[in-house]
This record gives sequence, structure tokens and C-alpha cells, in this order.
Amino acid sequence: QVQLQESGPGLVNPSETLSLTCTVSRFSISSGYYWGWVRRPPGKGLEFIASIYHSGITNYNPSLRNRVSISADTSKNTFSLKVRFVTAADTATYHCARLEDDFDTGGYSFYFDYWGQGALVTVSS
Amino acid sequence: QSVLTQPPSVSAAPGDKVTISCSGNSSNIGNNYVSWYQHLPGAAPKLLIFDNDKRPSGIPDRFSGSKSGTSATLGITGLQTGDEADYFCGTWDAGLDFVVFGGGTRLTVL
Repeated sequence: QVQLQESGPGLVNPSETLSLTCTVSRFSISSGYYWGWVRRPPGKGLEFIASIYHSGITNYNPSLRNRVSISADTSKNTFSLKVRFVTAADTATYHCARLEDDFDTGGYSFYFDYWGQGALVTVSS
Repeated sequence: QSVLTQPPSVSAAPGDKVTISCSGNSSNIGNNYVSWYQHLPGAAPKLLIFDNDKRPSGIPDRFSGSKSGTSATLGITGLQTGDEADYFCGTWDAGLDFVVFGGGTRLTVL
């Protein structure tokens, strides 16, 4: 089955850029689907950050749009996240995931079917 | 503050049944499909229910989902201690134009 693994620094200084990469195994990201990032701050709930379609179409959480960028490297079968000007509020476990999407008379269907275990990123000096 | 509203916590005894509610509006739950996730901190979230009431392969039928109007419900029967986790609902919000989640419900199996 599809496997995802996050990688990146566990500690980032305030005001700097957080960079994470998700390596996908057993499925080619260029075959389809959206690929996204979701985070969970300590003691809080899940928050959608961004997603990218295999064609390059992106979607961002409006509250983070000005600081976030998502990209994909189909040659390496990875996709990446950058969060600029981080603060302590960006401290969270960051999960990458595959996003299934469909649309019919019942509306839009968007759900994350495969997830990575997560990477804890702490923003602190 | 989350777009979708869930109770912060629920508890029940082993073997019992529990339901977790998720409330939204016409921009999200009312006109789109709902999914449910189980999450233990330190682990990967697990998809339990998609398209309101469908279970992925490997999810036992102890877990069920339903939707009515602008609310959705996750049901868990035959509670086990291993079910202790945080549970989240999620859906597309057409007004906000991205995926939204509930604030999460901590399930305690006493």
C-alpha cells in the first residue's frame, strides 16, 4: 500500500523558514491524486495547510497562504512544504498525506486516505 | 476556533457504544461529504469513514458514519481500550475553498 514519510529539521529558529519533504513509496505521485500537508499543534486539532495536484495545481489554507508554499518533484516522487517567518504558533507535528477527491450530486468528497507518521517541528531559539 | 464543532470529550465503558457529533453549515457538511479520522499523537491519523458512511478496507464494522442536514455522527460499538484516541471529522468547505476539520473529540474508554 501507499507509504509516506516526512523528513526535515526538528528545530527551527523564529522568523526563519521551515522546510519539510514527503517521500512517497509504492505509488507514483504523477499518476494522480492531490498530495497535502496537515499539521497538529500540541493540544490542538488538525489543520489543513496546503495541497498540490500531480499537474501542479495548488490549494492553500487562506490563513497561511502568505507564508506557505508547496511543490512537487515527480522525478524523486516527493513533495515539499515551506513555511516562512515561523513563530512559536507554527510548532506542531506536520503530516503529509494523499488526498482523494471526487464530485457528484452529493457534493465534493475530499478525504485523506494515506498519511505519514508525522514530523514534530519545534520553533524556538 | 474550528469550522466544524465537535464535543471536546466523550467517555464510555468497554463494550459500550458511543457517538461523536460533528456540526457544520450549508457551506460544508450540508452540501459535501464527511470523513472521520482516528488519531493517536505520535502516530499517523487513520481514515475511518469517508463519503459520510463508507468504511475503507480493514476498518471493522464497529465503526459507522451518518449524516443528516448540516451534522454528521460517528458511531463506535463494542468499545475497546484500544479505541482510546482523538477523533476528527473533516469535509470540504465551499465558502472557504479548502478542507476543514472539527476540533477533535478525545474518547476515553473507562
